Amino acid sequence: QVQLQESGPGLAKPSETLSLICTVSGYSISSGYYWGWIRQPPGKGLEWIGSINHSGHTYHNPSLKSRVTTSVDTSKNQFSLKVSSVTAADTAVYYCARDRGWYTLDYWGQGILVTV
Amino acid sequence: QSALTQPASVSGSPGQSITFSCTGTSSDVGGYNYVSWYQQHPGKAPKLLIYDVSNRPSGVSNRFSGSKSGNTASLTISGLQAEDEADYYCSSYISSSTVVFGGGTKLTVL
Repeated sequence: QVQLQESGPGLAKPSETLSLICTVSGYSISSGYYWGWIRQPPGKGLEWIGSINHSGHTYHNPSLKSRVTTSVDTSKNQFSLKVSSVTAADTAVYYCARDRGWYTLDYWGQGILVTV
Repeated sequence: QSALTQPASVSGSPGQSITFSCTGTSSDVGGYNYVSWYQQHPGKAPKLLIYDVSNRPSGVSNRFSGSKSGNTASLTISGLQAEDEADYYCSSYISSSTVVFGGGTKLTVL
């Protein structure tokens, strides 16, 4: 069974960088697919942040692109997210998910609340 | 990229069928057959219900079905149950190799 788990600080200070890691179990990132980050501000809808594959090829939301960095560590079966210059508007539950293709997100982590 | 348009809320009684709409443009919903639907219960992660407009992942009830006409995709739940009360989100691939979500629809089971 594929499982994803987000980890990282639940608090970030304005203007600093938010950093999160997603650890995958039950499936090797090296085997394929893209791996994505999605966020949800409290009481609001979902926003796609970006996706990365095992070789490090990325796609990012144009509205966030200049502030977002994604990376992958296949040796640890993890991928990560950094969002720079955060403001209160970046306060959200951040989810990681597996993208089985064409942005079909079939497995999700439980989410982690990050407050700026 | 603008969010797809979904009604804020819908309601229905147990046993009824209910349909959610998700309206986009020819650059997203109308241009590709890569529409997905997700169900989200309060405090939980979204769950994939439908992908590629009308395909159900293994384990998803056949009470859930999807379709598309022009720039509008639809999700239908038949035989509404109390446990279906949740938020429902659509998403679509868009021409810039990214994805856009709808604003979500809150389903109330009366």
